Amino acid sequence: SAVISQKPSRDICQRGTSLTIQCQVDSQVTMMFWYRQQPGQSLTLIATANQGSEATYESGFVIDKFPISRPNLTFSTLTVSNMSPEDSSIYLCSVAKGAETYEQYFGPGTRLTVT
Amino acid sequence: AQSVAQPEDQVNVAEGNPLTVKCTYSVSGNPYLFWYVQYPNRGLQFLLKYITGDNLVKGSYGFEAEFNKSQTSFHLKKPSALVSDSALYFCAVSDYFGSGTKLNVKP
Repeated sequence: SAVISQKPSRDICQRGTSLTIQCQVDSQVTMMFWYRQQPGQSLTLIATANQGSEATYESGFVIDKFPISRPNLTFSTLTVSNMSPEDSSIYLCSVAKGAETYEQYFGPGTRLTVT
Repeated sequence: AQSVAQPEDQVNVAEGNPLTVKCTYSVSGNPYLFWYVQYPNRGLQFLLKYITGDNLVKGSYGFEAEFNKSQTSFHLKKPSALVSDSALYFCAVSDYFGSGTKLNVKP
């Protein structure tokens, strides 16, 4: 398994501002993922963050809105830019143990509220 | 393209009874199938996976899942449910998640 921490755990932000969420893993991993989840609902994959290359975004998500950094094998950030109330959600970081199996371990999440 | 479906929003069972949470998938190539559990106010936890090998996969907390290639299903099962099993369960194909099924186990 892996121990994953996220900062901040929650935040309340004004529309039009940006928030950067940090994800730290206790071991080196190849693949890191960023998801969005409304409470009690399914997860939506935002992007896959791979060290040494640009993030791969899913349909409906763009780099200008959700820029991602992956400076090394234990850390990644997701920025939610120019926020609107529709961005209010829980943002989850996860890592895959093994490049092929997608067995994922999740961080505790960042609960974002945009007013 | 990959997709996964959980046809039941909610499953209710009595404690001690067997439980099944259904999952069907669509994928080109060999499927990587997973079950995750999310307890109230807690993070997602990996339960079990099927990559290859035996169709019956055993995981954490006494759960198991049966891979059925002909029916493209990967149902989660437990012989005897506990009240503490009440949670939100997600089936996943690689990094794509189903809609989730809320399991309620009543005493």
